Amino acid sequence: KAGVTQTPRYLIKTRGQQVTLSCSPISGHRSVSWYQQTPGQGLQFLFEYFSETQRNKGNFPGRFSGRQFSNSRSEMNVSTLELGDSALYLCASSDAKGRRRDGYTFGSGTRLTVV
Amino acid sequence: GENVEQHPSTLSVQEGDSAVIKCTYSDSASNYFPWYKQELGKRPQLIIDIRSNVGEKKDQRIAVTLNKTAKHFSLHITETQPEDSAVYFCAATQRQVKTIFGAGTRLFVKA
Repeated sequence: KAGVTQTPRYLIKTRGQQVTLSCSPISGHRSVSWYQQTPGQGLQFLFEYFSETQRNKGNFPGRFSGRQFSNSRSEMNVSTLELGDSALYLCASSDAKGRRRDGYTFGSGTRLTVV
Repeated sequence: GENVEQHPSTLSVQEGDSAVIKCTYSDSASNYFPWYKQELGKRPQLIIDIRSNVGEKKDQRIAVTLNKTAKHFSLHITETQPEDSAVYFCAATQRQVKTIFGAGTRLFVKA
């Protein structure tokens, strides 16, 4: 089984620009969650998608958005980038069946640097 | 609000000793508690998990305990080895859709 694929691996953007990150989950997994990882703040929950629907959202400003496609691939978008958005963005795939939650398989992440 | 507290933030042990990491969660509706290990420069990986209907689970040298009444859960690593050195994250999943992570524990195992 192929793992969770995130693209691109590295990105450098300037303040004010916008960026789109992509995540392809494990085949058959319908749940995709996004996390921001920084040295000082650990793993912060951004949002979770299941069958193209956003089921929950973390405490991030509206500049952070996402979507999921019918093939379960997900994208997240950050508009009007700020220096503080520099982080590792991790996508997590999960085989959430009904009310049973299973653990995540993480992608390698996209390291975003805002200059 | 929703929160998972994790202690200690740093833990240093001698090879062969045991290591214990403790977490406390705030949402009583949490029902799934995974633990992840993240080695330097790598992605977090699930190492063990426990559900709210179970008090303890063991897998070789690692074990997790859960006290639902006190909203505490802990990771125990016995006979530590240098390759156990990593950052460990606890997490609590609320209502199947939102997993909140602790801040992480950096474990150093000295040979």
